[in-house]
Amino acid sequence: NAGVTQTPKFRILKIGQSMTLQCAQDMNHNYMYWYRQDPGMGLKLIYYSVGAGITDKGEVPNGYNVSRSTTEDFPLRLELAAPSQTSVYFCASSYSGRSEKLFFGSGTQLSVL
Amino acid sequence: QQPVQSPQAVILREGEDAVINCSSSKALYSVHWYRQKHGEAPVFLMILLKGGEQKGHEKISASFNEKKQQSSLYLTASQLSYSGTYFCGTEYGANSKLTFGKGITLSVRP
Repeated sequence: NAGVTQTPKFRILKIGQSMTLQCAQDMNHNYMYWYRQDPGMGLKLIYYSVGAGITDKGEVPNGYNVSRSTTEDFPLRLELAAPSQTSVYFCASSYSGRSEKLFFGSGTQLSVL
Repeated sequence: QQPVQSPQAVILREGEDAVINCSSSKALYSVHWYRQKHGEAPVFLMILLKGGEQKGHEKISASFNEKKQQSSLYLTASQLSYSGTYFCGTEYGANSKLTFGKGITLSVRP
């Protein structure tokens, strides 16, 4: 099983550029999440989805957008990239949203210069 | 509200024991523990639920004190592979999302 697959692993953007971080899971999980991790700050929830067609904001959603057209895929869109969005981004999934373990992807290291 | 983890860092020799803590000022529904090695994704260790239920790693020991809103992770007879950053995540209700602490760096030396 592939689990949670994220692409790309690394990316450098210029200020103002846009990009989409891809996330796919093959475990038929209903819940999917996007987190960002900054040094010494832990993981902050950006957006989450409880199923296809349903998304909601997390703790730090500004500057990001998401969509969930299928159970498997949950892309994260950065519009007008800013240096403050330099971070490591993790996608995760779980079968349900209530006290279930999260399965994480391998992460995307993004630098905005 | 972000849980508070302590201590900030732990350095051990192989075979030594350690306790790391996670506390909250709000009533907790559950506490989750994850370990992350440098450059890798966090990996699930354990979930402790209000009422005493636990899910997770058979070789990991943890406690959840509901009165103190605190959880402790017990690492006994530490191995080199225990090195990494340990994060706790807390849920405050059945419909709340996980809020992670800043993490504790644990280093096990030979």
